[in-house]
Amino acid sequence: DQQVKQNSPSLSVQEGRISILNCDYTNSMFDYFLWYKKYPAEGPTFLISISSIKDKNEDGRFTVFLNKSAKHLSLHIVPSQPGDSAVYFCAASGLGGSNYKLTFGKGTLLTVNP
Amino acid sequence: GAVVSQHPSRVICKSGTSVKIECRSLDFQATTMFWYRQFPKQSLMLMATSNEGSKATYEQGVEKDKFLINHASLTLSTLTVTSAHPEDSSFYICSARAAENIQYFGAGTRLSVL
Repeated sequence: DQQVKQNSPSLSVQEGRISILNCDYTNSMFDYFLWYKKYPAEGPTFLISISSIKDKNEDGRFTVFLNKSAKHLSLHIVPSQPGDSAVYFCAASGLGGSNYKLTFGKGTLLTVNP
Repeated sequence: GAVVSQHPSRVICKSGTSVKIECRSLDFQATTMFWYRQFPKQSLMLMATSNEGSKATYEQGVEKDKFLINHASLTLSTLTVTSAHPEDSSFYICSARAAENIQYFGAGTRLSVL
């Protein structure tokens, strides 16, 4: 059973526009969420995270929104740049003990066209 | 962000040999490190959790005698693939847990077993 779902395998946007990447989760014990960016044959790079006590966290062009009641989070990138083209993974965890483990979604390939 | 170094980045070996992969946290101490495997076009699959000074915790279906993990210090964890076979060919990635449950990833190791 997939606990973290990224239902869109790919997304294509125009440079300068907003990219919105979505993620849904099923485990109500998750209380910490992260977004990673990954290029082929490289390890994931941490982008931004959010705790369940917040509903929004912003860092430069990246904003993560969390809707706990809907068990849904999204990553907004604005303005999108061609260098943002990569696979984006959503991840979730609890806190403490074995809950330090991250559960990843399958990723969304973002393509930003010049 | 924190830096995690993984070495080697690529290794080609003959079937039956053993391969050691190192994962180092360069600018922080990590009591917990993780080892993942990624198959083509798939998400990251957690193999094991490596705890400094104690035995690793393996995920279901991962052979602990096949994938030996040692976490001898707060900055170094190693994964040894013993008696490697072609089906072990994959992309292996390590991560180290920093504050706030953020995992920082190494660049990955592409293992090819002939």
